[in-house]
Amino acid sequence: GENVEQHPSTLSVQEGDSAVIKCTYSDSASNYFPWYKQELGKRPQLIIDIRSNVGEKKDQRIAVTLNKTAKHFSLHITETQPEDSAVYFCAASQSQFYFGTGTSLTVIP
Amino acid sequence: GAVVSQHPSWVICKSGTSVKIECRSLDFQATTMFWYRQFPKQSLMLMATSNEGSKATYEQGVEKDKFLINHASLTLSTLTVTSAHPEDSSFYICSARDGKGSRETQYFGPGTRLLVL
Repeated sequence: GENVEQHPSTLSVQEGDSAVIKCTYSDSASNYFPWYKQELGKRPQLIIDIRSNVGEKKDQRIAVTLNKTAKHFSLHITETQPEDSAVYFCAASQSQFYFGTGTSLTVIP
Repeated sequence: GAVVSQHPSWVICKSGTSVKIECRSLDFQATTMFWYRQFPKQSLMLMATSNEGSKATYEQGVEKDKFLINHASLTLSTLTVTSAHPEDSSFYICSARDGKGSRETQYFGPGTRLLVL
């Protein structure tokens, strides 16, 4: 089955700086890569996703890059704000989702 | 995005009782729903895939007789934790697949926090 690894597990950045979270996957058949943000005690919320026919996607301060050859994809958050503090999960999917272990992001005001 | 509800939001029960959790897609039909379990400060672990009108597909290590899944309609899947024990205490989240092809993704319910005493 699919194995998704995510790094780092924790990340602290100053407000206004950028944050980068990286994931690798093992199954070359995976073709959909969503990123979710989860605040404490709440449901995961989809923030951005990318499909295998695209190398990069951007939505305001959030961008995701995908390297299918190397089987890794990354989340980039620019101009971070305190409200970006949360746990972020990547996932790789062909049909079912397999999640990374999560990154706890803290943005320091 | 699409809306998925879950009920109850949380439940406390005695050891040995069974607990049923409902997952509903409110504004779309979902032939496939998924059940996850999440321990504190950990990732979501897929338990099973719930298919409307057929048997659920369980992930390795998940006891199908312990976690009964029924997907009787296109908008409702239920997870029943049978004879619950304290080690079953966890956050259970469902998700529902919406869209087709390049627009397909999953939307999560708000989760159900289960505490077994």
